[in-house]
Order: sequence, then structure tokens, then C-alpha cells
Amino acid sequence: EAGVAQSPRYKIIEKRQSVAFWCNPISGHATLYWYQQILGQGPKLLIQFQNNGVVDDSQLPKDRFSAERLKGVDSTLKIQPAKLEDSAVYLCASSLESGPSYNEQFFGPGTRLTVL
Amino acid sequence: QKEVEQNSGPLSVPEGAIASLNCTYSDRVSQSFFWYRQYSGKSPELIMSIYSNGDKEDGRFTAQLNKASQYVSLLIRDSQPSDSATYLCAVNNRGYSTLTFGKGTMLLVSP
Repeated sequence: EAGVAQSPRYKIIEKRQSVAFWCNPISGHATLYWYQQILGQGPKLLIQFQNNGVVDDSQLPKDRFSAERLKGVDSTLKIQPAKLEDSAVYLCASSLESGPSYNEQFFGPGTRLTVL
Repeated sequence: QKEVEQNSGPLSVPEGAIASLNCTYSDRVSQSFFWYRQYSGKSPELIMSIYSNGDKEDGRFTAQLNKASQYVSLLIRDSQPSDSATYLCAVNNRGYSTLTFGKGTMLLVSP
């Protein structure tokens, strides 16, 4: 079974530029998550999708971050404009279910973003 | 504010020993608990999930959950140098599937 796919793996941009990340979840997984992981920290949830609807985006900095999952499968996360503090690894994860139990999440390889 | 606390380590154990990793959480209604292993420069890998009080064993790994004490732990028996990694504890948030992660405990297993 193929895992979660992400691209690109690495991205270097200047501050105030824009960047987009792509994620394709495990086949059949209805729920998709985007996390931000800063060095030395655990992943922090940015947004959760159930099919193509947003379940939780309470920690998404909406003035600069946006995400979509138009057809309920793959998803894009965009940052515009980027700040230095956005330098982090952006992880996509998916799970079969979206309820409070038995919702094991599986992560993709991540995109390492460096903002100069 | 939901919190998940872990000792950052590093926790150093010799090869063949038992490594014990601990995690406490603040949200009393949390229902799902997970341990992820993260090698340096890699993404988190799910190694254990536990949903009810008690122990759950999978190979060399045992997860222990005590909801009354809001405490979850991971035991690694017969530790190997390949177990050297950061171990992340994750707890679901108040009836939803979103997870809060701890900062992780670095484990170093010396040959």
C-alpha cells in the first residue's frame, strides 16, 4: 500500500515570497491533516480536512496560510507571504476515520521549508 | 490549553536494556493515545496506539495507559542502537481526531 506522498521535499525561498506544498493521502483515507514541525518541537496541527470540508483550522494563521482539498483527495497548503518564522518542516498526514477513537494518523515524508 | 508533557532527554540506555519513556496529558476526556518514533531528518512513524487502561504489547514495545493519573508510557525491551530516535507522545483532543503532540524524548541506545 502506498504511503502519504508529499512534494517538494525541500524548498528555499526569500521572505515575502509565496510557496505551495502538495499532499496525496493514503488511498481511501477520508481525513487529511497538515502539521508544522519546528526544530526541537512536536508537530503542531494547522488544518484538518474530512473529505473536502474543513474540520479544524483554529491554529492556521489565516492571514498568510491557506489550504484546500477540492476533490476530497489531494491537498495543497500555501503560504503567502512567507516570514522567517515559517521555516519548518510541513507534514501531511492521513487517517481512515475522523472520530475520536481508532484514528491512527500516518505521515508523509514532509517538506522542509527554509525562509531566508 | 491542552498540554502533553514529555521529558526531552536524552535518555541513555545500554544495548539490551529496557527503555522507559513517559508522557502526561492535561485533557481528562482524551480517548486515543499514540507513540510515534522520529529518526533525525525523517517524519514521525506510528509505532503504538492505545485506547483503554492497561498494557498493550507489540513485539518489543509495550504501551501503558492510566487515565486516572493522565499518564501514558512506552517500554522498549531489549533496546537496540537502531531504536535511537526521538519518541513523540500524541493525545487526541477532547473527543475529536485532532492530536496534540509532546515535544518528544530523545532516546540514545549505546552498543
